[in-house]
Amino acid sequence: SQTIHQWPATLVQPVGSPLSLECTVEGTSNPNLYWYRQAAGRGLQLLFYSVGIGQISSEVPQNLSASRPQDRQFILSSKKLLLSDSGFYLCAWSVPGGGETQYFGPGTRLLVL
Amino acid sequence: SQQGEEDPQALSIQEGENATMNCSYKTSINNLQWYRQNSGRGLVHLILIRSNEREKHSGRLRVTLDTSKKSSSLLITASRAADTASYFCATEKNSNYQLIWGAGTKLIIKP
Repeated sequence: SQTIHQWPATLVQPVGSPLSLECTVEGTSNPNLYWYRQAAGRGLQLLFYSVGIGQISSEVPQNLSASRPQDRQFILSSKKLLLSDSGFYLCAWSVPGGGETQYFGPGTRLLVL
Repeated sequence: SQQGEEDPQALSIQEGENATMNCSYKTSINNLQWYRQNSGRGLVHLILIRSNEREKHSGRLRVTLDTSKKSSSLLITASRAADTASYFCATEKNSNYQLIWGAGTKLIIKP
């Protein structure tokens, strides 16, 4: 069966520090991968999605970036965090070519101070 | 603006009662999905209804879709305390594998 992992679960970082959040999927090949951010009590904002290795589409211009160095690995990065980057970050995957049901990781809560 | 908009924003009912949440959207869709999110956790897929379907059931869940009104409803029957969560609808964006999400309905079931 497929599983999706995200780490860390919680992260407190100072303003201006770098960020690296990792997401890995097991049990499937060539998944579509997604990074979302969720503000407290709000819906999901799509940040990036990827349909293959090295293929990244950005939805919202900001100081975040994403990379997909391996088929089932999706990384969210920042060189310098802003206070506004605080939030709940969710990684998700869906079957290749299907684009219907998305399966979510447990999320990373990021607090930038 | 958001494609999916849920209402109410928050709903508090007694255990055993039925809970109904609604979702409206603006453009044509291929399908509409409902997800559940427990506090501080990832989302879990509940049910998907396609544009040519009008009603779908899964256990205590019943989803309806009215494409003429561009709306969907999620009914949870015989609610339980464990149903306390936020519920989101999502629609597919232009068949490019992205989903557009509403802001969610926060459901509280009082024991």
